[in-house]
Amino acid sequence: DAGITQSPRHKVTETGTPVTLRCHQTENHRYMYWYRQDPGHGLRLIHYSYGVKDTDKGEVSDGYSVSRSKTEDFLLTLESATSSQTSVYFCAIRTGEGGSPLHFGNGTRLTVT
Amino acid sequence: GENVEQHPSTLSVQEGDSAVIKCTYSDSASNYFPWYKQELGKGPQLIIDIRSNVGEKKDQRIAVTLNKTAKHFSLHITETQPEDSAVYFCAASITAAGNKLTFGGGTRVLVKP
Repeated sequence: DAGITQSPRHKVTETGTPVTLRCHQTENHRYMYWYRQDPGHGLRLIHYSYGVKDTDKGEVSDGYSVSRSKTEDFLLTLESATSSQTSVYFCAIRTGEGGSPLHFGNGTRLTVT
Repeated sequence: GENVEQHPSTLSVQEGDSAVIKCTYSDSASNYFPWYKQELGKGPQLIIDIRSNVGEKKDQRIAVTLNKTAKHFSLHITETQPEDSAVYFCAASITAAGNKLTFGGGTRVLVKP
């Protein structure tokens, strides 16, 4: 898992509540990514970071915000969770420069009731 | 933005036979094409990747081919084994643009003993 820890692994929350998912890496890599996985859609990029306090939007960023105050931690926040945000969320890191592969954590399964 | 389509969505093969998964991409600027294998309850794991200056790459029983003109690439698994049963994802990215991977919808492969 390339030194990636996602927490929590499972969470059930109610519509309208805020939720924060955490991704922690042990190797100080610059690039970190948040994806969501839904049946038939593969994985879709939510946000990514290219350094401390440097973040950018992906293709499905509406309803999500991110923060990266330390190299090792990348947080994903759902300000007011909706049922459409029920999904499996994966964090990934890029371990090299240029065309290097992404390495994924084991995911957080989020259910919004 | 980039769009990646993957076929088939499910594939059942007899142990020992070959499996082929095909992907097409839309952005001619894409230059990096990884393939991931995902087992139940885990994050996607890189199995092979190819860059646009290469037409084919092999790693033991796995091979990937790339046709830049037609904008499609394929994964070939020979002599399939039960442990090859998993969901496979293709992806494409432009390495100079943060290596933001766009994924296909996935192929569930079942290898029957």
